[in-house]
Amino acid sequence: AQSVTQLGSHVSVSEGALVLLRCNYSSSVPPYLFWYVQYPNQGLQLLLKYTTGATLVKGINGFEAEFKKSETSFHLTKPSAHMSDAAEYFCAVSAGYSTLTFGKGTMLLVSP
Amino acid sequence: EAQVTQNPRYLITVTGKKLTVTCSQNMNHEYMSWYRQDPGLGLRQIYYSMNVEVTDKGDVPEGYKVSRKEKRNFPLILESPSPNQTSLYFCASTQGGTGLNSPLHFGNGTRLTVT
Repeated sequence: AQSVTQLGSHVSVSEGALVLLRCNYSSSVPPYLFWYVQYPNQGLQLLLKYTTGATLVKGINGFEAEFKKSETSFHLTKPSAHMSDAAEYFCAVSAGYSTLTFGKGTMLLVSP
Repeated sequence: EAQVTQNPRYLITVTGKKLTVTCSQNMNHEYMSWYRQDPGLGLRQIYYSMNVEVTDKGDVPEGYKVSRKEKRNFPLILESPSPNQTSLYFCASTQGGTGLNSPLHFGNGTRLTVT
């Protein structure tokens, strides 16, 4: 079985501040981990993924995430928020070939 | 352009009236899946298909049917829609299973309202 917990349904930051979106997962086998972003009235787009190898993963738009096995975490960060980063972010885990399980999402609000 | 196309984008219907939401991908992907998105619940998988003629239930399959007669198409069928199926639906595809390197490609969604 696999599951994802995203802490905080809403996160508010000021433009230029650090973005930190938290994700913890549960998996009985080594997982593949993903972060997706959803802009209003659109489908989901891949931000970054972890499969194997380097635990610090860089994605698009300046985002990165670090896989920490001991903490079962895959938190998403960005050093400096931009207004265009306002969107909903989803963490997802796949521990097999058939299903991708999503967290409930975190809405990122960026204020000027 | 590589894409997943869903139709319609918006649909309002009444309880019990059968409907079909179409999904087509032009990337020759083997794996296709349907999700529903509800506020506070994230995305939940309805059905998925590993390849032509192979379909399996996801987490919330009740009240839905799918078919995979061709590689590119994966329609979602609601034979007797009910108000609790009011939701935002997404079709997605990828090459191989979700455990492989390639990510899911999503359509733009279908917003369904059942009254």
